Amino acid sequence: AQTVTQSQPEMSVQEAETVTLSCTYDTSENNYYLFWYKQPPSRQMILVIRQEAYKQQNATENRFSVNFQKAAKSFSLKISDSQLGDTAMYFCALSGGTSGSRLTFGEGTQLTVNP
Amino acid sequence: AAGVIQSPRHLIKEKRETATLKCYPIPRHDTVYWYQQGPGQDPQFLISFYEKMQSDKGSIPDRFSAQQFSDYHSELNMSSLELGDSALYFCASSNRLGTSGRAEETQYFGPGTRLLVL
Repeated sequence: AQTVTQSQPEMSVQEAETVTLSCTYDTSENNYYLFWYKQPPSRQMILVIRQEAYKQQNATENRFSVNFQKAAKSFSLKISDSQLGDTAMYFCALSGGTSGSRLTFGEGTQLTVNP
Repeated sequence: AAGVIQSPRHLIKEKRETATLKCYPIPRHDTVYWYQQGPGQDPQFLISFYEKMQSDKGSIPDRFSAQQFSDYHSELNMSSLELGDSALYFCASSNRLGTSGRAEETQYFGPGTRLLVL
């Protein structure tokens, strides 16, 4: 069974500063995918960033980057130059090695960006 | 770019009634997934379909059924509704073979259907 754990239920950051959200996971698969999704108050699930486990290079998407530590099974999200619109629930998710696999989500971290 | 479409967006039902949720995946996506998100919870996987065949099954109650049609849209049928079925139901879609010919695992979510059972 796959598990995803987010140990920070809530976090806050000042506008323009940097914040890091933590995520650890467990899987017996060798090939898998990791994702961060954002869920703002509208409750839409929005893909933020993805990482293929076979790639050593950390993924980046504009102000968003990850620190993928495969051996430690850690997958943290760094948000630089935080903006008010970044306020949302952030979910870490894992997709197993089989194509078309279900997503297993962590409990979520509620991020608040303060002006 | 076209996104996943779900209908209806909001639904109010009485206990023991039936509900049907519809999902239209992104064009050329071949896999559809259904998730249930209760209040204050993370999404839980219910069921998925690939090329109109059930490909995986999660914690879906026996009262629920789903299928994928020839045009790739999917419907989630929920019968004998209970108060605990009140939740946000997401549909997501993915394309197992991207334009590069390699499997792509990214699931794109629709806006969800908010079901309230009274």
